[in-house]
Amino acid sequence: KAGVTQTPRYLIKTRGQQVTLSCSPISGHRSVSWYQQTPGQGLQFLFEYFSETQRNKGNFPGRFSGRQFSNSRSEMNVSTLELGDSALYLCASSYSSGGPNEQYFGPGTRLTVT
Amino acid sequence: AQSVTQLGSHVSVSEGALVLLRCNYSSSVPPYLFWYVQYPNQGLQLLLKYTSAATLVKGINGFEAEFKKSETSFHLTKPSAHMSDAAEYFCAVTSPGTGGYNKLIFGAGTRLAVHP
Repeated sequence: KAGVTQTPRYLIKTRGQQVTLSCSPISGHRSVSWYQQTPGQGLQFLFEYFSETQRNKGNFPGRFSGRQFSNSRSEMNVSTLELGDSALYLCASSYSSGGPNEQYFGPGTRLTVT
Repeated sequence: AQSVTQLGSHVSVSEGALVLLRCNYSSSVPPYLFWYVQYPNQGLQLLLKYTSAATLVKGINGFEAEFKKSETSFHLTKPSAHMSDAAEYFCAVTSPGTGGYNKLIFGAGTRLAVHP
C-alpha cells in the first residue's frame, strides 16, 4: 500500500499570501488529521476530518482551515500568512476515528514565509 | 486537560548501551499513550502504543515501554542502542476526553544521539 503523500514538499510564500497544502491518505483510511511542527511550539494538532466533516479542532486562528473530499483527500488552507506560520505541516491518516487507531504520518510540507 | 512531559531534550548514549527516554503524562481519564520516532526530513513513525491492555508494550526495532499508572509514566527503553536509532522521539497522549482518539497531544521531543 502506498503511504500518506503530501504535496508540495516545500513551499516558500510571502507574508499576506495564502497557501493550500494537500494530503492524500492511505487507501481505505477515512480520517485525516493535520499537525503543525515548529521548533518553538513543537507538534500541535490543527484539525481532523472524517467522512468530509471536521470532527476536532485545535487552538489555531480562523486563518487555518481545511476540508476533506469524498475520496478522503484533504487540503488545508492558511490565509494571510504570517512569519510565524513557517513550519512543517504534517498530515496523518487512520482507518477510522473510533478507538485509538494507529495514525500514519506523511513526510510533511515545509512552509517558509518570508 | 491532558499534557505530556518528556524529560531531557537531548540524550546521548554509546552504541550498545541502554536507551531510556522518559515520558510523564497528565490525564484525568484513562489515557492512550504512544511513542513516535522522527528521522530528519521525514514524518513520524509509530514505535508502539498503550491502549489499556498489557502495561508492558513491545514495539518495532527492539523498543518497549512500560505504563505505570502510579507514576504517570510511559518511559521508552531499548536494551542496546544502534547507530540507526539516532533520531527524535516523541511521546503522545490521547483519550476520548480530548475530543477524539485522533487528537494527539505531543511532548516536546527528545533527540537521541548514538556515538560509537
